[in-house]
Amino acid sequence: GAGVSQTPSNKVTEKGKYVELRCDPISGHTALYWYRQSLGQGPEFLIYFQGTGAADDSGLPNDRFFAVRPEGSVSTLKIQRTERGDSAVYLCASTESGFITDTQYFGPGTRLTVL
Amino acid sequence: GESVGLHLPTLSVQEGDNSIINCAYSNSASDYFIWYKQESGKGPQFIIDIRSNMDKRQGQRVTVLLNKTVKHLSLQIAATQPGDSAVYFCAENRIYNQGGKLIFGQGTELSVKP
Repeated sequence: GAGVSQTPSNKVTEKGKYVELRCDPISGHTALYWYRQSLGQGPEFLIYFQGTGAADDSGLPNDRFFAVRPEGSVSTLKIQRTERGDSAVYLCASTESGFITDTQYFGPGTRLTVL
Repeated sequence: GESVGLHLPTLSVQEGDNSIINCAYSNSASDYFIWYKQESGKGPQFIIDIRSNMDKRQGQRVTVLLNKTVKHLSLQIAATQPGDSAVYFCAENRIYNQGGKLIFGQGTELSVKP
């Protein structure tokens, strides 16, 4: 079956611009996670959705970052007024139910470059 | 502060040898640990997990050992193959977390020489 997909695979933008990153989870998975991975580092948690609601957004670095999942499936991570420090790979993962022992299946990521 | 980290950033092994990748964690309340493999340009891929009520768990060619006394986790790969070349991350989940928020370590890059 299809895995987690993310679009675009690469995004280059200029400082100050707005970007949207999309995640399509595995069909039927109720939990969805966003992580950010800087070069040479492990993924860093950003936000977790259970269904349509953000159950934990403690990892969002500031109010320029926002994510939605209006129908409990596709999610969009939105970054306003991008800064060079936002450059990273943004990873999305989904799980069947959100239990801590559920396997998180990751997408290939979106590489964001802010010039 | 609380963290999940790795002892070595790089590991080079000969094809056919066994590999051991280590990880230290600092929070004794951690309940669940996972090893992920990440190839270049791809997302992390689940390898094996272990709960805190276990000391050892085996999969296909992989074994995870958990030493709660010294807060240490290791991944052993038997008969390492070129396809095992990747960055390996340990990740931690904590029982009091809501949902499956993972805390990842920095990663170890495994290079397999033919």
